[in-house]
Amino acid sequence: DTGVSQDPRHKITKRGQNVTFRCDPISEHNRLYWYRQTLGQGPEFLTYFQNEAQLEKSRLLSDRFSAERPKGSFSTLEIQRTEQGDSAMYLCASRNQGAEKLFFGSGTQLSVL
Amino acid sequence: SQQGEEDPQALSIQEGENATMNCSYKTSINNLQWYRQNSGRGLVHLILIRSNEREKHSGRLRVTLDTSKKSSSLLITASRAADTASYFCATDAYRNTDKLIFGTGTRLQVFP
Repeated sequence: DTGVSQDPRHKITKRGQNVTFRCDPISEHNRLYWYRQTLGQGPEFLTYFQNEAQLEKSRLLSDRFSAERPKGSFSTLEIQRTEQGDSAMYLCASRNQGAEKLFFGSGTQLSVL
Repeated sequence: SQQGEEDPQALSIQEGENATMNCSYKTSINNLQWYRQNSGRGLVHLILIRSNEREKHSGRLRVTLDTSKKSSSLLITASRAADTASYFCATDAYRNTDKLIFGTGTRLQVFP
């Protein structure tokens, strides 16, 4: 069990560029979650997957955001045409259906200049 | 959106003192969890209390839950400098246990 891993840890991009983040959950976990956290705030739910199916998306997830989990293992979160307001820590977490505790990765810190 | 708020937003204490953080939430819940986050890192689960429980202990942690007031408290006894972190409460929703909603957090600083 290597835990939840996220890549990259840090990303600096210019406004208008596209960025993609990757999350590798704990291998036996069938649920994968994406959260966004801005400075001084708690994590805000974005979306989650059960296996490869995306079951819920927050209204925070605008049309510029897309998440995939094509084989029910790793997931990617893409942000198109980044805006300065997208600057945040993007956290990935996983757990099994029915389990209560979430296991988090260390996050990807995005800075949009 | 945030489920609830935590109080205080920030807390500074000396090593050896106790730290108490409070969490209020809005909707009925099945359980409430507390997580810790070191600066720039992910969150780590600390303790879970179910809606039918009033108090729970784990090591130096004590959690209480008052469902009538929709509030919880986390007590860290005999604090250490290594306890310096942000602490978040998180709840599911009674009719939707699929996701956790986090509070705004308490930033705890413990001075040696």
